[in-house]
Amino acid sequence: DGGITQSPKYLFRKEGQNVTLSCEQNLNHDAMYWYRQDPGQGLRLIYYSQIVNDFQKGDIAEGYSVSREKKESFPLTVTSAQKNPTAFYLCASSIWTGGGYTFGSGTRLTVV
Amino acid sequence: SQQGEEDPQALSIQEGENATMNCSYKTSINNLQWYRQNSGRGLVHLILIRSNEREKHSGRLRVTLDTSKKSSSLLITASRAADTASYFCATDDNNDMRFGAGTRLTVKP
Repeated sequence: DGGITQSPKYLFRKEGQNVTLSCEQNLNHDAMYWYRQDPGQGLRLIYYSQIVNDFQKGDIAEGYSVSREKKESFPLTVTSAQKNPTAFYLCASSIWTGGGYTFGSGTRLTVV
Repeated sequence: SQQGEEDPQALSIQEGENATMNCSYKTSINNLQWYRQNSGRGLVHLILIRSNEREKHSGRLRVTLDTSKKSSSLLITASRAADTASYFCATDDNNDMRFGAGTRLTVKP
């Protein structure tokens, strides 16, 4: 079955630590995206990548970093510079920019 | 920045009734999409309507798009308890998608 997998489902981070969220897809999609969702709110774009080895900042990139070394993988690192990282993080992919997105099931990050 | 804004923020109806959600946006778009999200889960793509289309159907879903008013509506007919979820519109202007805050739909059995 083709799909997009996010791991872990739940993640706890101590203040001052960096953590990396995994996102893997086997849909052969070129474009991949990271969004952040806070309770009762919509999605805000953190980073996106249209092609391997290239990525662009979204609206709230500060305190986050990404890499796109393989087409299938687009990990997101939440750095200690992100002041309010507790949120639900969603990864998505699409066959072309502007097509329908396929979403992963999300990672809930909590700072303890 | 968020592009689409859904209205109402919350909607509660009885099973069998129709549910209508609206979306307004601010800039020109290539297409507009609707997504559904069950609590604590990822979003599921429902339907995409291109800027040169006015109406589209998929099963019990009907989407309209009025580019002159920069608005779209999603109609779910003959609603079921399983339709309970949040519904988001998303607009594609150039290379990335912008989502609204969503409409929380509750369908009571």
